[in-house]
Order: sequence, then C-alpha cells, then structure tokens
Amino acid sequence: DAKTTQPNSMESNEEEPVHLPCNHSTISGTDYIHWYRQLPSQGPEYVIHGLTSNVNNRMASLAIAEDRKSSTLILHRATLRDAAVYYCILMLLGTSYGKLTFGQGTILTVHP
Amino acid sequence: DVKVTQSSRYLVKRTGEKVFLECVQDMDHENMFWYRQDPGLGLRLIYFSYDVKMKEKGDIPEGYSVSREKKERFSLILESASTNQTSMYLCASSLPGRNYGYTFGSGTRLTVV
Repeated sequence: DAKTTQPNSMESNEEEPVHLPCNHSTISGTDYIHWYRQLPSQGPEYVIHGLTSNVNNRMASLAIAEDRKSSTLILHRATLRDAAVYYCILMLLGTSYGKLTFGQGTILTVHP
Repeated sequence: DVKVTQSSRYLVKRTGEKVFLECVQDMDHENMFWYRQDPGLGLRLIYFSYDVKMKEKGDIPEGYSVSREKKERFSLILESASTNQTSMYLCASSLPGRNYGYTFGSGTRLTVV
C-alpha cells in the first residue's frame, strides 16, 4: 500500500496561514490525495481532495507537487476551531469502493 | 445538512452480550463503512458495504458482523462482546469511487465491562 508521511505535530498562531505537509513518494499516477481532519471527540471531517491540479474550497487549499510525491494542505487563516488532527490519505487504484486507510496524522495546535 | 447518524453516543455493555450499533445516512450513498478508533492505533476499517446486502471485510473483521438490508442503514454487530472491543466506533458513507469524500458520524463510544 502506498504510504503517507506527515509530521507528528505542528503549531500555529491564530489568523496566520498554516501549511501542513505530506509526503507520498510511492504514489501512483491514479491515486487520489485526500485530507481529513478530526476535532476532539468528533468523527473525521472531509477537508479536500485532488489528483494532479491544485484545489481550493471554502475550507482549505491543496497544493500538489508537480511530481505528485508530496502535497500541502493550506489553511489560509487559522482559527482556534482549526485545532485538530489532520490526516493525509491516498485513495488507491484498485480500491474500487474508495476505501480510506488512515495513518497517524498531524496534530495541529493553534495558539490565540 | 447531510448527515450520518449513529444511534448512540455512549454505550455500556457486559461481556458476552450481543451488541448492535446502528448507522443511518440520508445522502443516498452506495458505500458505507465501519471503523474503530483506539489510542495509538488510529482508525481501522472493520467492514464496508458497497450496496444493499453486499459486504466486504476490512482490516480487522474478527469478532464483528454487519447487516445492510436497506441502502440508508448499516449495522455493526458484536456477536459476543469482549473487553477488547471497548473502543470508539465510527460509521461513514460515500459515493462509489475514489473521487468522493467520506461523511462520518459522530461516533459511538462503547465500553464493555
């Protein structure tokens, strides 16, 4: 299975941008890159996903490297409510039912 | 607002009991999933279903079974609960394929005593 590598933890200040990195050097050409986050005592929440091009939505932006071996989730202005565990996940070709496999994620702390 | 609803937020059961965890989604999604989450182990897939009456084992199916009689409902069954099944259980649903996000429920924290 293609794996992702994320830092265990990151810190940010409120209202500053946050760049959460993810390495996936063994990604294949048709694997989708998904990001989820999990707030304390809640289920994971979908954030964004992409294949090759950068993506933007109301929550975040996803920047995908040209070789697709890494990606960065960008929160443009962090708020205290963005403090969560962020998971970078590859959805692999062959998993036709779209099965997600979660790693350990990055714990994001946001300081007031 | 689209939703995945899990029937109980907290549940306490005795060892050996048969336990049913219910999950309902209102998005007409084909796929439904059951995960458990434990400290240090992350989220692990127990079972998933890609259509009514269809099911596939995930990574840790032992001790569990599932039922999907209707598209909107996916039940996880612990035939004989054991203390090592004490965990947070999370249900999710999605459209088929890799180009869609999952919607998760809020979870059921099950304690087996």
